[in-house]
Amino acid sequence: QKEVEQNSGPLSVPEGAIASLNCTYSDRVSQSFFWYRQYSGKSPELIMSIYSNGDKEDGRFTAQLNKASQYVSLLIRDSQPSDSATYLCAVNSGGADGLTFGKGTHLIIQP
Amino acid sequence: GAVVSQHPSRVICKSGTSVKIECRSLDFQATTMFWYRQFPKKSLMLMATSNEGSKATYEQGVEKDKFLINHASLTLSTLTVTSAHPEDSSFYICSAYRTGQPQHFGDGTRLSIL
Repeated sequence: QKEVEQNSGPLSVPEGAIASLNCTYSDRVSQSFFWYRQYSGKSPELIMSIYSNGDKEDGRFTAQLNKASQYVSLLIRDSQPSDSATYLCAVNSGGADGLTFGKGTHLIIQP
Repeated sequence: GAVVSQHPSRVICKSGTSVKIECRSLDFQATTMFWYRQFPKKSLMLMATSNEGSKATYEQGVEKDKFLINHASLTLSTLTVTSAHPEDSSFYICSAYRTGQPQHFGDGTRLSIL
């Protein structure tokens, strides 16, 4: 049974601070890792993808992957109120496989 | 970025009705399309994987005779919820995939069965 675990939150972070979101996964053959942002009532929006160990930066977002620890994280720098949403961690075995999602972390950025 | 169109965005209908949801990739040919379902305050759950011209692969616990998937072309997949009941009320979301790219999601269809 593939599982992706996230702390459901809510995680409250002051505006301008760094928000740190964490995710662990159970399937060791997982190859592709994604962070999606989902606003209430909307479909997920891709924020970051990461495929190899280490850090990947894109603007204010940094994804970190540690396959040995089966751990993925997302850092959001200079958090803005518009970043308030549910962040979903998703993994798959690569390519054309369906995604296994975590339950999501509800992030609240306090002005 | 890649655009995936899903239609309709919202459906309200009576129990026993069959409902068809369309998913189109507008600017690329999708080798694979996926159908997910999300119940309130829950995460997305994969229902089925659809490849053009072949039968869909359903996840465990998803009834293939209830959730009919047709993938007629590389840009269109449809999900038909047959004889829908209130417990089928959910947010149905499709995604489209092409080699080397992450999955891109449609805007979702909120299905409410009365």
